Amino acid sequence: QQQVKQSPQSLIVQKGGISIINCAYENTAFDYFPWYQQFPGKGPALLIAIRPDVSEKKEGRFTISFNKSAKQFSLHIMDSQPGDSATYFCAASNTGGGNKLTFGTGTQLKVEL
Amino acid sequence: DTEVTQTPKHLVMGMTNKKSLKCEQHMGHRAMYWYKQKAKKPPELMFVYSYEKLSINESVPSRFSPECPNSSLLNLHLHALQPEDSALYLCASRLMANTEAFFGQGTRLTVV
Repeated sequence: QQQVKQSPQSLIVQKGGISIINCAYENTAFDYFPWYQQFPGKGPALLIAIRPDVSEKKEGRFTISFNKSAKQFSLHIMDSQPGDSATYFCAASNTGGGNKLTFGTGTQLKVEL
Repeated sequence: DTEVTQTPKHLVMGMTNKKSLKCEQHMGHRAMYWYKQKAKKPPELMFVYSYEKLSINESVPSRFSPECPNSSLLNLHLHALQPEDSALYLCASRLMANTEAFFGQGTRLTVV
């Protein structure tokens, strides 16, 4: 029930294209859904996060879409740039979950020129 | 200051050694975490401290021993590790449940 499933495992997008990464969860108690970006040799850094009371959140080129009934959420990266090439992790936690933050399996994104 | 500082950045240790990893934050966060990350895998939760008390231990072997001396510091004591324990060890902190978790740059540990 604590699992967060993420797809695809890897993604190649042309510069200027849209990158889409999907996540699905089972635990309906989850109430916080962040996305993290990680570059090689670095720690993960928060990109954008959403709570289930909204269906979409946009920050610059990054948008989270959230479907509570389907228990799915996705990250859209508009106008993808080579500098966006990194590993992306979705994650989930819930207020009563003892501060536990569960990560998805990760997506390796490569943006080609 | 939104930084989580981990030391050392790199560590090579033998299987009979005792070493410690250190993590520090000055953001007033009351939840602190240790994660283990293998190459091309997600961070795997090891321990969570809430208000300086161990709140979650994800069945981690006793050769890993966490310690939270105060609200700003988190240590991970290592003893008799195995080569398969080689990984990136990440520390994180956050103010409370369901707020942003800040990660350190990690300690790259190699057990020989």
